[in-house]
Amino acid sequence: EVKLVESGGGLVQPGGSLTLSCSASGFPFTTYAMHWVRQAPGKGLEYVCVISSNGATTNYIDSVNGRFTFSRENSKNTLTLHMTRLRPEDTGVYFCVGPWYTNWGQGTLVTVSS
Amino acid sequence: DIQMTQSPSSLSASVGDRVTITCRASQAISNYLVWYQQKPGKVPKVLIDAASSLQSGVPPRFSGSGSGTDFTLTISSLQPEDVAIYYCQKYDTPPWTFGQGTKVEIK
Repeated sequence: EVKLVESGGGLVQPGGSLTLSCSASGFPFTTYAMHWVRQAPGKGLEYVCVISSNGATTNYIDSVNGRFTFSRENSKNTLTLHMTRLRPEDTGVYFCVGPWYTNWGQGTLVTVSS
Repeated sequence: DIQMTQSPSSLSASVGDRVTITCRASQAISNYLVWYQQKPGKVPKVLIDAASSLQSGVPPRFSGSGSGTDFTLTISSLQPEDVAIYYCQKYDTPPWTFGQGTKVEIK
């Protein structure tokens, strides 16, 4: 059974930084690209970024490009999303997703507020 | 980047009604489209992928069609448990953009 568990969310001031983690199990982790999707309170789903199976390639939406860094450690089946220069509009639940679009974690809440 | 536009943004229909939601891509995406159902406080659930392939365990009243730029999700006979927000998402190339969602309610 695929299991994705996010952690690291919390309250941070605008301009601050936060690092999210996703622990994956139940599938051949090194084989698949993985994704982050976020959802602001009461709003729709927003695709954030993807990382290739070997971690060599990443792709970000424009609004986070240059502020977020997505990485993975295949030896530990772990994903990391390092978020800097956070803005109030980054507030939301962040979901770890993969393989493909089928499996979602339960999400971790990030709140950017003073 | 390719934009995904869903319509309507919300709808209200009676139990047993046929409901149709559309999703339009700003450029052709072949059949690389997935439909989700999200109920309040829950994680999105995949209903259909490859535009028309029903996921295992999903009731057959749900169906999908389309290719290229225009796609449709149909609920043939709306049930109370179908109250949810429905999203489309493209997955041909990154970013895997979502539509803005369609809220389905019972009249």
